[in-house]
Amino acid sequence: GAGVSQSPSNKVTEKGKDVELRCDPISGHTALYWYRQSLGQGLEFLIYFQGNSAPDKSGLPSDRFSAERTGGSVSTLTIQRTQQEDSAVYLCASLFTGTYEQYFGPGTRLTVT
Amino acid sequence: DQQVKQNSPSLSVQEGRISILNCDYTNSMFDYFLWYKKYPAEGPTFLISISSIKDKNEDGRFTVFLNKSAKHLSLHIVPSQPGDSAVYFCAAAAMNRDDKIIFGKGTRLHILP
Repeated sequence: GAGVSQSPSNKVTEKGKDVELRCDPISGHTALYWYRQSLGQGLEFLIYFQGNSAPDKSGLPSDRFSAERTGGSVSTLTIQRTQQEDSAVYLCASLFTGTYEQYFGPGTRLTVT
Repeated sequence: DQQVKQNSPSLSVQEGRISILNCDYTNSMFDYFLWYKKYPAEGPTFLISISSIKDKNEDGRFTVFLNKSAKHLSLHIVPSQPGDSAVYFCAAAAMNRDDKIIFGKGTRLHILP
């Protein structure tokens, strides 16, 4: 079956512009995570959606970052007024609630010029 | 405050020998641990996991050992193969709190011919 997909795969944007990154999780997966990996760094937790519960936003680095998950499926990560330090690979992962083996998408490479 | 630590950014091992990747954690609430493998330009893929009720879990060439008193786990790969060259991430979760999964910064493993 289809895995987790993310779009776009690459995004180059000018500093100050807004960007939207999309994640399509595996059908039926009730939990969804966003991470980012900056050059030479590990996986930095951003936000976690679990079912109908309020999302855990504790990893969002600033109020320029927001995410939503519509209908318990597709998720969009929005970065407003992008800065050069936002350049990173943004990874989405989904899983069934109650399990811990995440299925990752291929990521979106964001470059802010 | 880093709750999951992988103190070796990289490791080189001869093909056919044993690779040992280490991970330490600080949060005593963690009770489920996972290892992921990541190739360049791809999302991480799940490798093996262990619950805190066990101290060892084996799957083919991969074995994970857990030392709860030391808050330490390790991944052993034997024998190491060229395709094992990748970045390995350690991750932890507190199942009893149904909390989010936290990743370490990763260790880059090079298998030498």
